[in-house]
Amino acid sequence: DTAVSQTPKYLVTQMGNDKSIKCEQNLGHDTMYWYKQDSKKFLKIMFSYNNKELIINETVPNRFSPKSPDKAHLNLHINSLELGDSAVYFCASSQDPPFQETQYFGPGTRLLVL
Amino acid sequence: AQSVSQHNHHVILSEAASLELGCNYSYGGTVNLFWYVQYPGQHLQLLLKYFSGDPLVKGIKGFEAEFIKSKFSFNLRKPSVQWSDTAEYFCAVKNSGTYKYIFGTGTRLKVLA
Repeated sequence: DTAVSQTPKYLVTQMGNDKSIKCEQNLGHDTMYWYKQDSKKFLKIMFSYNNKELIINETVPNRFSPKSPDKAHLNLHINSLELGDSAVYFCASSQDPPFQETQYFGPGTRLLVL
Repeated sequence: AQSVSQHNHHVILSEAASLELGCNYSYGGTVNLFWYVQYPGQHLQLLLKYFSGDPLVKGIKGFEAEFIKSKFSFNLRKPSVQWSDTAEYFCAVKNSGTYKYIFGTGTRLKVLA
C-alpha cells in the first residue's frame, strides 16, 4: 500500500497556465506538508497543514494556494505558472508532536514549465 | 534563524571505503534530528532519527549517526559503503514539539564499483 501518493508524477505545461498537484496519505497522520526541491536538490518547505488548518506558510508567492479538503489530502494549486516554478514538488505527512514524528514523503511531482 | 549545514556537497568513494557526512545545525533548544536518503529518481526515505537517549543512533542499511550536542552536530557514518549507496543524503532538524523541519542542502554521494 502506498503511504503517501501524489498525482501527477510528471507535469509539463506552458507559462501562464494554472495547474494542480494532488496528495493523499493513508497513514492516519494529522499533518501534511508541501516541499519544493529545486534543480540543485535544495529542499524547502512551502506549506504545512494540521487537521485541515494552515500552520506553516513560508515565503511563497500567492500564486501557490494549498487546499486541504480533509486531513488525508493536501492539494497544491499553482496559478500563472512561471519558468522558475520548474522543480520537483514533494508532499509529506507526519504525526503530531510530541510523538516521535517522522515525515513520510510522496514520490514527487516533476513540474516543467516551458 | 534555525539552519542546517552540510559541508560536503559532493563525495566520491570507492566501494568498501568508510563514509562520514557532516551535519551541523544552529539552534540552542531541544531538537529532533534526521537523516534522509534520496536514491536516483526516488523520493526521500528515512535512514535514521534521533529524539532522545543514546546519542549514537543506528539506522537502516548499516548507517549510524552520532549526536554531539556540544558541537551541534549529527554526522552520518557507514564503515563500508556499497555501490547501491549512491544517492543524495539530507540532514534535517526540527524543534522538538513543532512542525517545521529544516533540511540541509544535501550531499551527493557517488560510490564507484
